[in-house]
Amino acid sequence: DSGVTQTPKHLITATGQRVTLRCSPRSGDLSVYWYQQSLDQGLQFLIQYYNGEERAKGNILERFSAQQFPDLHSELNLSSLELGDSALYFCASSVDSKSGANVLTFGAGSRLTVL
Amino acid sequence: AQRVTQPEKLLSVFKGAPVELKCNYSYSGSPELFWYVQYSRQRLQLLLRHISRESIKGFTADLNKGETSFHLKKPFAQEEDSAMYYCALIGSGNFNKFYFGSGTKLNVKP
Repeated sequence: DSGVTQTPKHLITATGQRVTLRCSPRSGDLSVYWYQQSLDQGLQFLIQYYNGEERAKGNILERFSAQQFPDLHSELNLSSLELGDSALYFCASSVDSKSGANVLTFGAGSRLTVL
Repeated sequence: AQRVTQPEKLLSVFKGAPVELKCNYSYSGSPELFWYVQYSRQRLQLLLRHISRESIKGFTADLNKGETSFHLKKPFAQEEDSAMYYCALIGSGNFNKFYFGSGTKLNVKP
């Protein structure tokens, strides 16, 4: 599968715990984006990486952090989890080209449930 | 500041009725606009982009720079169109930042 792959698909954990979500971008894509989708808040941009470097930050809490590795996969770390962190976390990637062919390809998401 | 606004959280129409999902944007340059769709239990996927000027699944969207809008339209809604729709923009010269609206849930009733 040359699309965006996210693991795990589902994760249930307790408050105060820490989890790591993983994303492998589409082959050839250098940019990785993380989004949070909660029931009533639509798609919230968290953070973007380009070729290993942080490019843009959105509404990302200090308890959350991310990185992109040399092989371009990315991890989103969520710590000191709270009930309100329960959401669907999407990763997306793009080729990030000046040619104008910029399209985001989304992964299937990781559903996090904090109990 | 860059912003994408979708004023309707929920839009319900009957099958066969016309549908228009509104999207307004705020951007100082020349953005590229997109519509993404998320069907139930599926990942978000690109529906259409303004530079392609194409019709996908009967949907069209025209970029109106004067009104800074990119409304999504379909003359005859189908039940399978029921989904969450997100409007998004990417700015020229800032080609790697995507801004999404809050989404509109379209419910097409039989």
